[in-house]
Amino acid sequence: TQLLEQSPQFLSIQEGENLTVYCNSSSVFSSLQWYRQEPGEGPVLLVTVVTGGEVKKLKRLTFQFGDARKDSSLHITAAQPGDTGLYLCAGEAPYNFNKFYFGSGTKLNVKP
Amino acid sequence: DAGVTQSPTHLIKTRGQQVTLRCSPKSGHDTVSWYQQALGQGPQFIFQYYEEEERQRGNFPDRFSGHQFPNYSSELNVNALLLGDSALYLCASSFGGQGDTQYFGPGTRLTVL
Repeated sequence: TQLLEQSPQFLSIQEGENLTVYCNSSSVFSSLQWYRQEPGEGPVLLVTVVTGGEVKKLKRLTFQFGDARKDSSLHITAAQPGDTGLYLCAGEAPYNFNKFYFGSGTKLNVKP
Repeated sequence: DAGVTQSPTHLIKTRGQQVTLRCSPKSGHDTVSWYQQALGQGPQFIFQYYEEEERQRGNFPDRFSGHQFPNYSSELNVNALLLGDSALYLCASSFGGQGDTQYFGPGTRLTVL
């Protein structure tokens, strides 16, 4: 059983569409990170959110940390084929340095 | 500035064998974490090394062991390999305390036949 549940598992959309990926848990995390992973490579960090209710924007990507620090969302505006990849959320356990629990990921395919 | 490097890239072993995977952290980093990523899953935390000692451990059996050297590089050893150990093994490095950014290497793809 995954500590972090991501939804949807798969998403196939057309270029220009908007999408939201969700990361939910019943546990509280001291921070939450979002990564993107390409085939054959390690995950690459996109953002870290630390404060409940925090919203961070990275160009067309908007990340939100839930008020209770148990869930997060990633919203992509006007998706592009270059956004294709596996999106992973990872929660950092409280009082455990850099011990992260990953969700199973959302595989995004953006068609031109 | 080299990022996190891992070797080998790919490895094929048979059941019951032992394997050693290696990781060199990003320059300036002193903490190394190892993750196992099965096909279609997110990475699962195996353990973390800091100052040459295991600081954290996930829910993995004792067949999984590790080591960190004075230069901060690290090894992951797996004994008595099982088919279920087939996965991508990722190393991540960071510096010091809570919330610091982890940088992942490209991983070692282990196949157990």
